[in-house]
Amino acid sequence: EVQLVQSGAEVKKPGESLKISCKASGYSFTSYWIGWVRQMPGKGLEWMGIIYPGDSDTRYSPSFQGQVTISADKSITTAYLQWSSLKASDTAMYYCARNIAAAESPRDYWGQGTLVTVSS
Amino acid sequence: EIVLTQSPGTLSLSPGERATLSCRASQSVSSGSLAWYQQNPGQAPRLLIYHASSRATGIPDRFSGSGSGTDFTLTISRLEPEDFAVYYCQQYGSSPQTFGQGTKVEIK
Repeated sequence: EVQLVQSGAEVKKPGESLKISCKASGYSFTSYWIGWVRQMPGKGLEWMGIIYPGDSDTRYSPSFQGQVTISADKSITTAYLQWSSLKASDTAMYYCARNIAAAESPRDYWGQGTLVTVSS
Repeated sequence: EIVLTQSPGTLSLSPGERATLSCRASQSVSSGSLAWYQQNPGQAPRLLIYHASSRATGIPDRFSGSGSGTDFTLTISRLEPEDFAVYYCQQYGSSPQTFGQGTKVEIK
C-alpha cells in the first residue's frame, strides 16, 4: 500500500528556518516524482515543485524558486521541504504528493498535510 | 503560465442532482493534460480524473471528465452526500503546473 506520512505541525517565528518531511512507503521511491503543494488558509492549491529521487532532478514553480528548497534522501525514502528564513506569509498547509508517472503528470497519492504557522 | 478559471465559484444542488463544473484555460492545455481533484474539509485532495477524461483508480463512474484545448468539464451524474466538497482542476502539461481556484459544491 502506497503511503506518504508527513511530519507534524510546526509553529515558528519569522526569520527561523524549518525543514518538514514526507516519508514514503509501499512503492519504489526512486522511480516516481514527488512534490509539494501549498494551501494557504481558506485558499486554493498551489504547485510548488517536484523532485525525482532517483537522480535528484528538481523543478520549481517560478513563484517558489529561491524561496524554498526541495530535497530527498533515497536511503530513508523521505522527501523534504525547507525554508532558510520563514515569513508570516509562509503560514499554510503543505502537502506532499506523488506523481502518477512523469514530471508532467498529476498526483495520485497525497500525504496528510503539515500545518506550518509562522507568527511572532 | 497557464491560468485556469473555474466556474461557478459555488454550486448549490440537492443529493441526486447532476453537477456540471467548468474549467477554462488561458491557453491550450498540452495533450489534454488536465486533472480534477476533490477536497473535503480537513483532508488532502483526491485525484478523480486525469488526461481530461480518465478516471483514477477507485473513482465511481458517476464522475466523468470531458473537454480539450481550453475548455474542460467535470460532471457528477448523481450527487451522493459524500460528493459535497471543493473541486479543483489542474493542468500539468506546461510548466509551471497550475490549479484553478476551485468550485465548491454545497448542499442546497
